[in-house]
Amino acid sequence: AQSVTQPDIHITVSEGASLELRCNYSYGATPYLFWYVQSPGQGLQLLLKYFSGDTLVQGIKGFEAEFKRSQSSFNLRKPSVHWSDAAEYFCAVGAFLMGGGNKLTFGTGTQLKVEL
Amino acid sequence: GAVVSQHPSRVICKSGTSVKIECRSLDFQATTMFWYRQFPKQSLMLMATSNEGSKATYEQGVEKDKFLINHASLTLSTLTVTSAHPEDSSFYICSATGGGWYEQYFGPGTRLTVT
Repeated sequence: AQSVTQPDIHITVSEGASLELRCNYSYGATPYLFWYVQSPGQGLQLLLKYFSGDTLVQGIKGFEAEFKRSQSSFNLRKPSVHWSDAAEYFCAVGAFLMGGGNKLTFGTGTQLKVEL
Repeated sequence: GAVVSQHPSRVICKSGTSVKIECRSLDFQATTMFWYRQFPKQSLMLMATSNEGSKATYEQGVEKDKFLINHASLTLSTLTVTSAHPEDSSFYICSATGGGWYEQYFGPGTRLTVT
């Protein structure tokens, strides 16, 4: 069965500082990997995804993530955090469904706080 | 991008009553829709997967008679919480995907409070 581990429950960074959110996955085949962001009381917004090809993927809002098969990791990074980045971040691994989409398994999330 | 809406955004109901939550894909045909439940400060747990015109597939531990899912058209899926109890209070989120797509697009969620 697939699983996702996000080791950091809370992270606090200063505005302008760099950010790295960790994600480790377990999956038997080539994984489909996603990072989502959730603001309080809202649904999820896709930041970026990895299916194949270049292991460094670029997303929206200046985020990027690097897929490292040897480490089973898909860490999210941003070189300079903005106060508006404060939110909950979820890493997910997907098992592709024939009817479309992926059956997603989410990590427990990392709450990002940005200090001004 | 693909847009998914949910209605209502918040609902309060009395214990023992039923409540229906709608999930709509606004600008694409959703061949598959997913329903998730999220407890406060926790992750999303998949409840069920539904394909248009067929019965939903429920995850282990989810009571299909309590959480009725209907995906009658390519743009609408509904989740009905029957005989709701306070422990059913939660944030319910739907997502949708088109045929052959990799991504799911999420709705804004529905906050259910059972009193």
